[in-house]
Amino acid sequence: QSALTQPASVSGSPGQSITISCTGTSSDVGGYNYVSWYQQHPGKAPKLMIYDVSKRPSGVSNRFSGSKSGNTASLTISGLQAEDEADYYCCSYAGSSSVVFGGGTKLTVL
Amino acid sequence: QVQLVQSGAEVKKPGASVKVSCKASGYTFTSYGISWVRQAPGQGLEWMGWISAYNGNTNYAQKLQGRVTMTTDTSTSTAYMELRSLRSDDTAVYYCARGVAVIRFDYWGQGTLVTVSS
Repeated sequence: QSALTQPASVSGSPGQSITISCTGTSSDVGGYNYVSWYQQHPGKAPKLMIYDVSKRPSGVSNRFSGSKSGNTASLTISGLQAEDEADYYCCSYAGSSSVVFGGGTKLTVL
Repeated sequence: QVQLVQSGAEVKKPGASVKVSCKASGYTFTSYGISWVRQAPGQGLEWMGWISAYNGNTNYAQKLQGRVTMTTDTSTSTAYMELRSLRSDDTAVYYCARGVAVIRFDYWGQGTLVTVSS
């Protein structure tokens, strides 16, 4: 499978909201409600932030939200904070017990 | 608390094999699967495959078919990933992650750096 398409970088000022898109096909993002998002700080393991398109694991701030329309999923972070600066990866179920990741988006908090 | 603790860094020559371990604790090992995800230096995440800790069923990424084997030892709650015929582009940090099937990965190991160099 081909990697899902994410913007290479996004930026925002503290307190603002940003949205990261994740575009796939009808065989992955568009075909299943199994999109997840991961946050990764430099040198650290990824952390699950959103699963099943829009669900938040326990302990994840409600400033993080997810949605999907057609073949594109989105992660929105509201009330941007300095600690949100990290790389973000989307991931989608792609059928036959396989998944595909996006290329990653570097979020810079200005 | 759920923990996944991986084995230490490895340096291998091209053509060799590497086996990385991932010891789980804090949950019923056989109730979840384990996925392996790798990240080349400065690059994104790449899913390598998944193994059910319940029955040992596996599914591997197409590009790694024939070179990767994932196993579990339920007596020690440990998962293993072996990669053979190593090439320089296999140099990466390898992560294990607890999987609710392959739908989501809610806990991750600390990562194991595998360097392939002559």
